Amino acid sequence: AQTVTQSQPEMSVQEAETVTLSCTYDTSENNYYLFWYKQPPSRQMILVIRQEAYKQQNATENRFSVNFQKAAKSFSLKISDSQLGDTAMYFCARSNSGYALNFGKGTSLLVTP
Amino acid sequence: GAGVSQSPSNKVTEKGKDVELRCDPISGHTALYWYRQSLGQGLEFLIYFQGNSAPDKSGLPSDRFSAERTGGSVSTLTIQRTQQEDSAVYLCASSQGDRPDTQYFGPGTRLTVL
Repeated sequence: AQTVTQSQPEMSVQEAETVTLSCTYDTSENNYYLFWYKQPPSRQMILVIRQEAYKQQNATENRFSVNFQKAAKSFSLKISDSQLGDTAMYFCARSNSGYALNFGKGTSLLVTP
Repeated sequence: GAGVSQSPSNKVTEKGKDVELRCDPISGHTALYWYRQSLGQGLEFLIYFQGNSAPDKSGLPSDRFSAERTGGSVSTLTIQRTQQEDSAVYLCASSQGDRPDTQYFGPGTRLTVL
């Protein structure tokens, strides 16, 4: 099975600091998309950022950016200027020529004052 | 515009009963997905609908699970003869139908089977 691995079950960061969440994946496809979703206690899965595998440039969305290393099959999420509202579970996911998302197990991020 | 909505938000049922979970996708989205989120298994794909095509049911865990999508919009996930291992959060997502594309999720239904 093609897997998505998040090696950090839990992380903690202080408000205003920067944190990086790791994700590695396995795929035999050349064209695929990678996503980071955020799930706060409300359960709502919220799209944070998306990366197309054919694009060299790393995606950015305000305080969120990714470091996409295609050869290494690595897709980490960097959160800058962390805010209390960033506290949530973060899921890395991949879709390729199919359509269903393949998710990692998640990283629980706690932002402390 | 309105996002994906799901009902009920929470459902408690007794083992052996049937349950129906509803999903209302974003207007205009042709693709609809069901996922299950449980402590032991993480997020698992269940079923996928795209327009009028036959659904991909490859993720359904047993024949007790079924889903339909009426009129290309609202979808219902039915679990017959519920078991305790069916307890989970059931998430619905929709997308515009491009492949691959971005899926937008509803708030989920938490199912508890006693």
